[in-house]
Amino acid sequence: DTAVSQTPKYLVTQMGNDKSIKCEQNLGHDTMYWYKQDSKKFLKIMFSYNNKELIINETVPNRFSPKSPDKAHLNLHINSLELGDSAVYFCASSQEGRAETQYFGPGTRLLVL
Amino acid sequence: AQSVTQLGSHVSVSEGALVLLRCNYSSSVPPYLFWYVQYPNQGLQLLLKYTSAATLVKGINDFEAEFKKSETSFHLTKPSAHMSDAAEYFCAVSDFQGAQKLVFGQGTRLTINP
Repeated sequence: DTAVSQTPKYLVTQMGNDKSIKCEQNLGHDTMYWYKQDSKKFLKIMFSYNNKELIINETVPNRFSPKSPDKAHLNLHINSLELGDSAVYFCASSQEGRAETQYFGPGTRLLVL
Repeated sequence: AQSVTQLGSHVSVSEGALVLLRCNYSSSVPPYLFWYVQYPNQGLQLLLKYTSAATLVKGINDFEAEFKKSETSFHLTKPSAHMSDAAEYFCAVSDFQGAQKLVFGQGTRLTINP
């Protein structure tokens, strides 16, 4: 049973295109996140949702739009892709609270050409 | 604001040797600290976490970490390295801004030599 799943695993696209990444968790968690990992492996939070409501938006360009249709899903749509968007995007989920463990998906490797 | 510094972007040890990965934190409130491991082409997995209970925290795969407030450190150790420990290790501190916000260090790549 996959706890946090993401699709697709790999995404290769041209600059200027629009793409979406989907995330689903079957852990019953209330909170979901998107992280970006750059080529130097640095991980930074992008967004956090709690019960379908946006809680954290870390000064991400508005070309990135998260959408949470229900608390088990958090999708990431990216408009007008740029070269600098090439990275690995991770979805994660947790229960609510500062001490909770976040469970990460396998990542989506995005390459913008 | 919370922050984490991992000393050493790359650590190399021999199989069977002690593993020591260093993490120092900065936090304006009592910190909650985490160590995550990332195996190649995979997501992150929790090794252990400190949430203000015992200062010596034991995790999976014989890893442990000790919280030292006086040194603002949370170093990760394992007595005897296995080849399967080769991975990227991340220390993180937890902030809360309506939701948990993990602030990660730069990561340390651990290589195990046979």
